[in-house]
Amino acid sequence: GEDVEQSLFLSVREGDSSVINCTYTDSSSTYLYWYKQEPGAGLQLLTYIFSNMDMKQDQRLTVLLNKKDKHLSLRIADTQTGDSAIYFCAEEGNNRLAFGKGNQVVVIP
Amino acid sequence: EAGVAQSPRYKIIEKRQSVAFWCNPISGHATLYWYQQILGQGPKLLIQFQNNGVVDDSQLPKDRFSAERLKGVDSTLKIQPAKLEDSAVYLCASSLQTGGPETQYFGPGTRLLVL
Repeated sequence: GEDVEQSLFLSVREGDSSVINCTYTDSSSTYLYWYKQEPGAGLQLLTYIFSNMDMKQDQRLTVLLNKKDKHLSLRIADTQTGDSAIYFCAEEGNNRLAFGKGNQVVVIP
Repeated sequence: EAGVAQSPRYKIIEKRQSVAFWCNPISGHATLYWYQQILGQGPKLLIQFQNNGVVDDSQLPKDRFSAERLKGVDSTLKIQPAKLEDSAVYLCASSLQTGGPETQYFGPGTRLLVL
């Protein structure tokens, strides 16, 4: 089944790193995703990782996947005020995306 | 390239009334999705179309919700009659193909408040 868990809130100072965590349940997911939602806007795909990888780096973003523990994390280096948003992880199962509840990140200048 | 368009952006109705939302996907995107996002939660898929055919509507409350994509482009989602618990943001998304990596492009959403 699809059940994605995320913590709710994170505050971080501008320039620091932020880490958002997520656990998922569907071990057959081929891809796992991170989406960003700014206030009043739809979701924007940030990055994804193929399930046979354990790490992916994309500029300031680093995704870590622990398939054994079904744990996914997103690290944002040098966090900027424009990174303030809600971040959703999503797993792909039964040909549909299942999203977590989201993690709100607030960047303090 | 224009993004996914949705209208209206906001809608307030009373319970038991009807409401309809419209979505225009990115040109050329065969797959269209409607999601419901309740406050404080992630989006939940309601229905997925591939061209004008329904791929997945297993989570659509069919007693009150309906959706169509008659010509394989625009889509409408209707709620009749609305309940208080339907208050949410309704997001439309589109993608070039099903299967991963699933790059879905989201519209800004329609925020519905049922009183």
